[in-house]
Amino acid sequence: GIQVEQSPPDLILQEGANSTLRCNFSDSVNNLQWFHQNPWGQLINLFYIPSGTKQNGRLSATTVATERYSLLYISSSQTTDSGVYFCAVSTDSWGKLQFGAGTQVVVTP
Amino acid sequence: SAVISQKPSRDICQRGTSLTIQCQVDSQVTMMFWYRQQPGQSLTLIATANQGSEATYESGFVIDKFPISRPNLTFSTLTVSNMSPEDSSIYLCSAPGQGWPLNTEAFFGQGTRLTVV
Repeated sequence: GIQVEQSPPDLILQEGANSTLRCNFSDSVNNLQWFHQNPWGQLINLFYIPSGTKQNGRLSATTVATERYSLLYISSSQTTDSGVYFCAVSTDSWGKLQFGAGTQVVVTP
Repeated sequence: SAVISQKPSRDICQRGTSLTIQCQVDSQVTMMFWYRQQPGQSLTLIATANQGSEATYESGFVIDKFPISRPNLTFSTLTVSNMSPEDSSIYLCSAPGQGWPLNTEAFFGQGTRLTVV
């Protein structure tokens, strides 16, 4: 099956800093999503981005499908950005996802 | 988008018992998915629930341990049977949004945090 690798595994940021999270995948995909899992375990949809670039407030994402990677940018980080960020991909049209291992982000005041 | 309601949100169960988790979607969907997240780990797909047919299980998961029902296009249940402490995990259901099939974005319920003692 498809492999999804995320880096870095852990990230510690000071409030106000910027960061980039990376997701590499091993095959062509028709869906790529970024999620934020909060400390209560809830998965929050950040981006649905099989290709191209999107921005939502301080977050933005870019997927280069031909080179099989996606980047999530966090700017001016806040303590509420802490949590685990997951990249997930799908190769079918039904919404079944293969998740990466995640990046644990800690933002300190 | 899709609004997915999952319950219970958490439970503490005795080993050897079973727990049934319910998942309700606010629109009709062909496929629903069940995932498990073990402590400190990523999400792993348990099975795909298709209305009107038996669920399709991923490698390492079996129907006797995780029976699934899909009685209609908006509802599914996952049962965790004969539980042991190793079953302590977060269980999440998922379904595509109303933009399907042009938009295959997946949405998740709030999750069920299960602790087996």
